[in-house]
Amino acid sequence: DIVLTQSPDYLAVSLGERATINCKSSQSVFYRTNNKNYLAWYQQRPRQPPKLLISWASIRQSGVPDRFSGSGSGTNFSLTISSLQAEDVAVYFCQQYDNIPFTFGPGTKVDIK
Amino acid sequence: QVQLQESGPGLVKPSETLSLTCTVSGGSISNYYWSWLRQPPGKGLEWLGYVYYTGSTKYNPSLKSQITMSADTSKNQVSLKLSSVTAADTAIYYCARFTFTYGFDPFDVWGQGTMVAVSS
Repeated sequence: DIVLTQSPDYLAVSLGERATINCKSSQSVFYRTNNKNYLAWYQQRPRQPPKLLISWASIRQSGVPDRFSGSGSGTNFSLTISSLQAEDVAVYFCQQYDNIPFTFGPGTKVDIK
Repeated sequence: QVQLQESGPGLVKPSETLSLTCTVSGGSISNYYWSWLRQPPGKGLEWLGYVYYTGSTKYNPSLKSQITMSADTSKNQVSLKLSSVTAADTAIYYCARFTFTYGFDPFDVWGQGTMVAVSS
């Protein structure tokens, strides 16, 4: 199984400041044949299901604010919230959809400082 | 827009079979893959497996002996059965949709989830 680790576990950021979450994969999820990384980011607000924010490591889903951005390739990825808003308080998970079983990182809780 | 609604018993006794249904509205189950995932309270997400609308399946090897998924195009539903449950199977169970373009895609639509507790 591909193991995803995330850092930090918990992140408290002032409103309007930048938040960066890291995700590391135990093996590459990049395919040269189509130049794609099979890595997604989800946001899970309290008592809500996960919501897909970013696919293919850096492609924002329709309707996701542009303060959310994804970067990285191969085994190292990041999700950045450029200017934290109150509604961004949530747990963020990375997920690989390259290999079965699909696996998730343990999550990073983002809060307001 | 497509919506998913999980349903089933909220309490299952140890050693019994957990049975859940995911009803899809606002769209067809055809031409999509449907996964079940679970999340123990306060913990992370575990992918359990998928069923394609044709009925073909793929399960997480960690649960392969316990799990059965199926799809019913006439009812626009997919279902999950998990046998011989223990307290470790207590979780919120989600159904989620994905597609296949350059290979598998991420889960773009999720149900609200249903809490299932395993207890005598």
